[in-house]
Amino acid sequence: QLHLQESGPGLVKPSETLSLTCTVSGGSISTYTYYWGWVRQPPGKGLEWIGIIYYSGSTYYNSSLKTRVTISVDTAKNQFSLNLRSVTAADTALYYCAAVEYYYYSMDVWGKGTTVTVSS
Amino acid sequence: SYELTQPPSVSVSPGQKASITCSGDTLWEKFTCWYQQKPGQSPVLVIYEDTKRPSGIPERFSGSNSGNTATLTISGTQALDEADYYCQAWDSNTVLFGGGTKLTVL
Repeated sequence: QLHLQESGPGLVKPSETLSLTCTVSGGSISTYTYYWGWVRQPPGKGLEWIGIIYYSGSTYYNSSLKTRVTISVDTAKNQFSLNLRSVTAADTALYYCAAVEYYYYSMDVWGKGTTVTVSS
Repeated sequence: SYELTQPPSVSVSPGQKASITCSGDTLWEKFTCWYQQKPGQSPVLVIYEDTKRPSGIPERFSGSNSGNTATLTISGTQALDEADYYCQAWDSNTVLFGGGTKLTVL
């Protein structure tokens, strides 16, 4: 059974880079079945899609974040990562990683999420 | 840009049918899915490809998609169904979420 776990710093200073990693267990990240994605949820608000990556490295990003976001994959470690540059307080959120079904883009499995606060 | 619109809140009495809508231009052309999120928990997929239920999701959850509106229906709503519900679709290489609907069972 697929399991995803986010990890990374809980506190990031303004203007710095937020870096998170999602470790996939119970299956290979190098599968035809899924993209691997990031979603965030600001406190008290709805879900915001950040981007997805295929194991081959192809990516799609939210256009509103595209200039600041990089998602990468490490197939050897069965992990994928999120880098969000030049963060501000508006980037404070609960960050989730998820397995995204390849053909219809439903997010079948979610991690528990990790809270990131942007503050000096 | 494409948007998905949900009502902010829906109320239902226990045992009754709850319907949560998700509207978007020519939404019928896209596959939609639905997530349930309870306080302090990660979202859970309850409907995918418009009408399909993942394993473990109760039969009282169903979905439809016609015209500009997709609908999540919960038949015989239970108190444990009280949660936020989000629709989602894919358009122009973008994952789109609706704003979410808070379902209150009272």
